Amino acid sequence: ETGVTQTPRHLVMGMTNKKSLKCEQHLGHNAMYWYKQSAKKPLELMFVYSLEERVENNSVPSRFSPECPNSSHLFLHLHTLQPEDSALYLCASSLYSRASGGYGNNEQFFGPGTRLTVL
Amino acid sequence: SQKIEQNSEALNIQEGKTATLTCNYTNYSPAYLQWYRQDPGRGPVFLLLIRENEKEKRKERLKVTFDTTLKQSLFHITASQPADSATYLCALDNYGQNFVFGPGTRLSVLP
Repeated sequence: ETGVTQTPRHLVMGMTNKKSLKCEQHLGHNAMYWYKQSAKKPLELMFVYSLEERVENNSVPSRFSPECPNSSHLFLHLHTLQPEDSALYLCASSLYSRASGGYGNNEQFFGPGTRLTVL
Repeated sequence: SQKIEQNSEALNIQEGKTATLTCNYTNYSPAYLQWYRQDPGRGPVFLLLIRENEKEKRKERLKVTFDTTLKQSLFHITASQPADSATYLCALDNYGQNFVFGPGTRLSVLP
């Protein structure tokens, strides 16, 4: 195991539902990430939190709403999703320090992902 | 526009041979480049990191090279085994501005 857990592992929801994905890391890291992985497309970085502050938002639709209450927990709140949002949603964590090279100088530890299906 | 390409979507290789995967990038200036392995239905797992001032990095049967002039990284697996079959992703940091992954190469090592 990588030290990053995600729940639920599978989720099926209708377009009008509201649900949340949860991620927890036990590695003492100070940065957490949400990625989307669709079939035949590269991993897309959605959100980055460093020290519980959102530092990056890659133009993600507002129907996805992240929350980072502390450095160990990360949520992705979902509402009124579209079928094209069906994908594998991956959480990751890493150490982060702008002084020591930012994102790229630290390996990311990924959770197992949540397979989301929107009907 | 900015782009990361990995040599092919799929690569088949015979057991025992060396697999070579390519990562090319355009209009990025990465200070670091990373390689990950991803098995079906699972999250990526970190393999190696190489810095812009390093030409080569090794770890057991794995070797990564980084040529900032060619804007290319090569990832080698020597003495490949069927257990090496997976998708391999390169990822690069653009001077702390963002972190992007390539599309991946699906490697199959045939016994």
